[in-house]
Amino acid sequence: KNEVEQSPQNLTAQEGEFITINCSYSVGISALHWLQQHPGGGIVSLFMLSSGKKKHGRLIATINIQEKHSSLHITASHPRDSAVYICAVNGGGADGLTFGKGTHLIIQP
Amino acid sequence: SAVISQKPSRDICQRGTSLTIQCQVDSQVTMMFWYRQQPGQSLTLIATANQGSEATYESGFVIDKFPISRPNLTFSTLTVSNMSPEDSSIYLCSVTGEWGWTEAFFGQGTRLTVV
Repeated sequence: KNEVEQSPQNLTAQEGEFITINCSYSVGISALHWLQQHPGGGIVSLFMLSSGKKKHGRLIATINIQEKHSSLHITASHPRDSAVYICAVNGGGADGLTFGKGTHLIIQP
Repeated sequence: SAVISQKPSRDICQRGTSLTIQCQVDSQVTMMFWYRQQPGQSLTLIATANQGSEATYESGFVIDKFPISRPNLTFSTLTVSNMSPEDSSIYLCSVTGEWGWTEAFFGQGTRLTVV
């Protein structure tokens, strides 16, 4: 069973700061997802990665398959980025996702 | 891609009763997944719903407590049976892993409170 560790658990930063959230996992995967969960509970997919790097607007996600590690970066952070960010991995085939505990991010104006 | 309609969005139920949660997907998908998110915790996979066969349950979850139906490739239900306050959680359905997809999709979640 894959163990997914995220850090930090909680992060408070000022508007405009560069944010990094880290995720490591214990067993090889077919894909890694970065998800965003808002207080109402809804979950939105940000990225799905199997290698390399992806960028969408101010969000950048990277993955190192050999080191079993991924990072999510937010540039020029804004209060609307405040949410819980969750890393989840997929072992492939019929497997569901295994989730990290999430990073609770607060961006203060 | 996929859009998932999940209902109800929330409910308050008496202990000992059952609640059925429905998820409708706007496209045909091979597998649907049901997750539970207990207060302050991350999501845990309950089971995988397969069309035409029994659901596959994760360790710690049993069919008598969480019966699942999957009558076709766009619809699934999860029932939380004989509820107790410990069942108070958010329940979510999800689809992912279809060929060519680049993301996972989630229902809006059902926030269940058992009193």
